Amino acid sequence: GAVVSQHPSRVICKSGTSVKIECRSLDFQATTMFWYRQFPKQSLMLMATSNEGSKATYEQGVEKDKFLINHASLTLSTLTVTSAHPEDSSFYICSAHQTGAGEQFFGPGTRLTVL
Amino acid sequence: QKEVEQNSGPLSVPEGAIASLNCTYSDRGSQSFFWYRQYSGKSPELIMFIYSNGDKEDGRFTAQLNKASQYVSLLIRDSQPSDSATYLCAVLGAGSYQLTFGKGTKLSVIP
Repeated sequence: GAVVSQHPSRVICKSGTSVKIECRSLDFQATTMFWYRQFPKQSLMLMATSNEGSKATYEQGVEKDKFLINHASLTLSTLTVTSAHPEDSSFYICSAHQTGAGEQFFGPGTRLTVL
Repeated sequence: QKEVEQNSGPLSVPEGAIASLNCTYSDRGSQSFFWYRQYSGKSPELIMFIYSNGDKEDGRFTAQLNKASQYVSLLIRDSQPSDSATYLCAVLGAGSYQLTFGKGTKLSVIP
């Protein structure tokens, strides 16, 4: 099956610093990747849709200048949380859509804790 | 606005019983329907997907789709304690790659 990796799996940082999260499709090409955020005991909330070679599309209420997304290749998308604050602490999950397939494959997630 | 509704539960069933999880969706043009399982602290994993009306079986899991009623369900036969998790229903709209997720139903299988 299709495999999606994320790195790091867990990160703790100080308030005001920036954190980069990588999402890779390991055995397939993903023209579209998605970034989700999940707070405790809540469902997945789509943050943005990342298309290879073009600007990401952000969902309403998500600050594009705070959550920078780069999708420079067909197998890699990155999410950078700039000037992170404690309220950004969450579980960030990426998924990749395999070209020609219907389903999305999820990465294992990154747990961000901002002190 | 596209919506996917699920009963949040918790749904408790005894080991060996059939667990029935339900989902309704608002977008009549939706084409594909997915069930994901999410363990606490983990990311979702795909269990099944269904495109056509009727039933689709895979091992102990059966997905049922009724597009006229805008209803999709997941049956888990011979439920095991390891099936205890939150089950997310997701819907893919026509011409879209974006999934719309329900809030999930928490299933607890009691030994």
